[in-house]
Amino acid sequence: GAVVSQHPSRVICKSGTSVKIECRSLDFQATTMFWYRQFPKQSLMLMATSNEGSKATYEQGVEKDKFLINHASLTLSTLTVTSAHPEDSSFYICSATGTSGSTDTQYFGPGTRLTVL
Amino acid sequence: TQLLEQSPQFLSIQEGENLTVYCNSSSVFSSLQWYRQEPGEGPVLLVTVVTGGEVKKLKRLTFQFGDARKDSSLHITAAQTGDTGLYLCAAWRNRDDKIIFGKGTRLHILP
Repeated sequence: GAVVSQHPSRVICKSGTSVKIECRSLDFQATTMFWYRQFPKQSLMLMATSNEGSKATYEQGVEKDKFLINHASLTLSTLTVTSAHPEDSSFYICSATGTSGSTDTQYFGPGTRLTVL
Repeated sequence: TQLLEQSPQFLSIQEGENLTVYCNSSSVFSSLQWYRQEPGEGPVLLVTVVTGGEVKKLKRLTFQFGDARKDSSLHITAAQTGDTGLYLCAAWRNRDDKIIFGKGTRLHILP
């Protein structure tokens, strides 16, 4: 149980385009979803926290207009990187907490590698 | 400041050796998690420790939560090449209900 999926797993886009990444909880209802960014050989950096039906809370230094987060249902959150630039290239990971198991535990998606040319 | 300090940051040892990774903080946590991440994949939860002094075993991996719930350790016995990866400790930051991660320990087991 407690499976989180992400789509796509890998995306390459041109500079200036927007990219949407989906995060789904497959077998539980995710009351809260988190979005992380990870640079090579570094740990995860929390970008934002989203609760179903409400606006996301962004960490300091993360541009909310650049990284649009929508948590429209208890099983789906999306991250849209708007007007992507090469410096946005990174590994984006979502996680979810909810009704499965301990509410102290996050379950992570497999990540999405974004490359902006 | 880094709330969770992991050490060592890098470790390269021969197959068959034992090793210990540490996760320390000045804060008290209600629980602490250990994750393992392989390149190009998301972190996978290994264990959650909740009680001070708790010891949990997962095959050759032994996890311990400090008595004061401020620190934790991961001990691997007879390391195998399949243990290679990034090991992350994580805990909830109570003031804003967010999980924070240590910087990770990159482990490389040599055949």
